[in-house]
Amino acid sequence: DAGITQSPRHKVTETGTPVTLRCHQTENHRYMYWYRQDPGHGLRLIHYSYGVKDTDKGEVSDGYSVSRSKTEDFLLTLESATSSQTSVYFCATGTGLHANTGELFFGEGSRLTVL
Amino acid sequence: GQQVMQIPQYQHVQEGEDFTTYCNSSTTLSNIQWYKQRPGGHPVFLIQLVKSGEVKKQKRLTFQFGEAKKNSSLHITATQTTDVGTYFCAGIGSSNTGKLIFGQGTTLQVKP
Repeated sequence: DAGITQSPRHKVTETGTPVTLRCHQTENHRYMYWYRQDPGHGLRLIHYSYGVKDTDKGEVSDGYSVSRSKTEDFLLTLESATSSQTSVYFCATGTGLHANTGELFFGEGSRLTVL
Repeated sequence: GQQVMQIPQYQHVQEGEDFTTYCNSSTTLSNIQWYKQRPGGHPVFLIQLVKSGEVKKQKRLTFQFGEAKKNSSLHITATQTTDVGTYFCAGIGSSNTGKLIFGQGTTLQVKP
């Protein structure tokens, strides 16, 4: 597996509080992605990055922002968490845009509960 | 927008039985990937199919990509308890701005 670490792995927070999830990779992959996984929905793309400071929206980006100041780090921020954002969040990396040249490598996931 | 539908959502089989999951896209795909996620784990890449009508095998797993490049299947022969998990297909649309869209996944339970 690629060296992808997510932190925190588990977090419980209250509605209205800000939350930041961190993804760190040691593979020097150009492309990084944040997905959320919910029962019955599979994996849905939140935001992705195609280089340092270059990011774009995925299919469920409302309520989320991202930043990538270094190749190895991709941060996902919930400015004001809501209960609908309770989910398991996966970071992924790859060598091609949207996996068009190969596989995605996933981190271990971060389970977020918003009360 | 592009949608990828996967059926069935759940499948329970007796060990030794075969298993198949199907993936259907609303649009033509440039390629399709399959991932496996063990319970409590993260998705792990299995294979990528690119050509129309392509068939690939990995031991007891057979992957097919439809002639029209809008559907795909994963077939497992003689399931084992180690096959337990959720199998996801993920397709990339054939347009230049296509993103990787995941199906909802099929969760396989195998009874020993």
